[in-house]
Amino acid sequence: DAGVIQSPRHEVTEMGQEVTLRCKPISGHNSLFWYRQTMMRGLELLIYFNNNVPIDDSGMPEDRFSAKMPNASFSTLKIQPSEPRDSAVYFCASSRQNTEAFFGQGTRLTVV
Amino acid sequence: GQSLEQPSEVTAVEGAIVQINCTYQTSGFYGLSWYQQHDGGAPTFLSYNALDGLEETGRFSSFLSRSDSYGYLLLQELQMKDSASYFCAALGSGGYQKVTFGIGTKLQVIP
Repeated sequence: DAGVIQSPRHEVTEMGQEVTLRCKPISGHNSLFWYRQTMMRGLELLIYFNNNVPIDDSGMPEDRFSAKMPNASFSTLKIQPSEPRDSAVYFCASSRQNTEAFFGQGTRLTVV
Repeated sequence: GQSLEQPSEVTAVEGAIVQINCTYQTSGFYGLSWYQQHDGGAPTFLSYNALDGLEETGRFSSFLSRSDSYGYLLLQELQMKDSASYFCAALGSGGYQKVTFGIGTKLQVIP
């Protein structure tokens, strides 16, 4: 298996623009997580899907952030409109039993 | 809610042993995982403890005490390549298992 695949690896965008991050989880995994990592706040859980259903989105910062999982093999995290404070590395992770999560290589987002 | 506490930084000498502690507060606690992350890389899984006691995997061991809401990661025979950030992650219920990470401990191994 190729592991969790995220795209793009790097994204630079202007403030106010829409940003869409993509994730393909490992086949057979029924849990998917989106995390945001910054120096100041560490690794924060944004949203958790189980069997494609959003279970916990309490970590989503505000209404500018939205996430979808239309099927078991694809998820998106959208920021609209983006702001400079959204600059961070965004990780997607998937797991079968949550005891071991497999992370993608992350998307480094820079909003200028 | 869930919260975890770890030291922010630890420095140790190559060849030595280092222990990274983690205390947690979470509802419906299932277990504690540990992850390693090198600079610029993704977190990778190291170990998981569901029961009290010590789990050993090569040079790395992880310990859990559920009664104390405490765990630690023990790294033996430290190597320079062990320089990385280490995260503890708690699995808690809320109807479903949810993984919450601590702030991470940056380990620097020096010659």
